[in-house]
Amino acid sequence: AQTVTQSQPEMSVQEAETVTLSCTYDTSENNYYLFWYKQPPSRQMILVIRQEAYKQQNATENRFSVNFQKAAKSFSLKISDSQLGDTAMYFCAFMRNGGSQGNLIFGKGTKLSVKP
Amino acid sequence: GAVVSQHPSWVICKSGTSVKIECRSLDFQATTMFWYRQFPKQSLMLMATSNEGSKATYEQGVEKDKFLINHASLTLSTLTVTSAHPEDSSFYICSARDPAGDSYEQYFGPGTRLTVT
Repeated sequence: AQTVTQSQPEMSVQEAETVTLSCTYDTSENNYYLFWYKQPPSRQMILVIRQEAYKQQNATENRFSVNFQKAAKSFSLKISDSQLGDTAMYFCAFMRNGGSQGNLIFGKGTKLSVKP
Repeated sequence: GAVVSQHPSWVICKSGTSVKIECRSLDFQATTMFWYRQFPKQSLMLMATSNEGSKATYEQGVEKDKFLINHASLTLSTLTVTSAHPEDSSFYICSARDPAGDSYEQYFGPGTRLTVT
């Protein structure tokens, strides 16, 4: 069974600084997707970034980038130039590729606080 | 992007009653929808996978007779919590896949807060 581990329950960062959130996962699959989701106080789940396991290049979306280490089964999220609006819970998630169901397996989350 | 709605956003019910939560895909047809449960300060746990026109697939430990899921159309899935108890109080989130879109993409509803008194 797949598992996703986020070892940082809470983190804080000063506005405009850079912060990295950690995520490790365990799977015997070779093809899969990894995601970072943001859940602000409204509790609406927002997709931040995704990574396909077959791609070696790390995904980037504006201020958000990942460090994907497939052999180490590590998938960290870097947020550059942190903004107050980045304050939220961040969930790392795993999804098998090719499965007809495609359900997500979430880590326990990291609560990020951006301080002015 | 695709939009998923949930109704109601917040519901209070008395212990022993049943409550229905609706999940709708507004601008796409969703053959598969997922129901998650999230306790305060915890992660999302998959309860069941709902497939249009067939029975839902429940995760281990989820009582199918208590959490009734119906996916009667390509745009609507419902979760009915039967004989609700205070321990069923939680935040329920649905998501949907657009078969015409990217295979990985799931669109989340805004969630429903259920409080059982």
